[in-house]
Amino acid sequence: GAVVSQHPSRVICKSGTSVKIECRSLDFQATTMFWYRQFPKKSLMLMATSNEGSKATYEQGVEKDKFLINHASLTLSTLTVTSAHPEDSSFYICSANLASGGVETQYFGPGTRLLVL
Amino acid sequence: GESVGLHLPTLSVQEGDNSIINCAYSNSASDYFIWYKQESGKGPQFIIDIRSNMDKRQGQRVTVLLNKTVKHLSLQIAATQPGDSAVYFCAEAVSGGYNKLIFGAGTRLAVHP
Repeated sequence: GAVVSQHPSRVICKSGTSVKIECRSLDFQATTMFWYRQFPKKSLMLMATSNEGSKATYEQGVEKDKFLINHASLTLSTLTVTSAHPEDSSFYICSANLASGGVETQYFGPGTRLLVL
Repeated sequence: GESVGLHLPTLSVQEGDNSIINCAYSNSASDYFIWYKQESGKGPQFIIDIRSNMDKRQGQRVTVLLNKTVKHLSLQIAATQPGDSAVYFCAEAVSGGYNKLIFGAGTRLAVHP
């Protein structure tokens, strides 16, 4: 159980285009999902907290108009990188909170590698 | 600002030996700590967690130790295997909110036959 998927796993796009990444909790419902960004050989940097039915909460320094987040259902959150530029190239990872027995555990997706040309 | 950091960027061990990966945290309000394993090109995989009301927790071949006095966290892997080779991250959180995690820098574990 507790499987989180991402789609696509890898995407290459031209500069100026927008890219949508999906994050799904496959066997559980998640009111809260998170989006991270990871540069090569670096740690995960939290970008935003995605809450089902409400606006996402962005971390300091993350442009909300650049990285649009929609949490339309209890099993799906999407991240749209708008007007992508080469510096947006990165590994994007989502996670979802699974609440069980009063404890919340965060499970991660496999990541999406974005390359902007 | 508050941060979670690691003492060693890389750790090389022989297959069969025990591994110890260390982590220091600075947010005294953190009460939930997790270790993740990340293989190349994949998302982090949950290994083990511990809450601040405990100082030790054991799993299968893994043990997490928490020393709140010196704000130190460690992950012990017994009988390290080649499949344990990966980057290991510690993460901290303050419970009661959305379980927002702050990740440490990561330690690469290389297991040699």
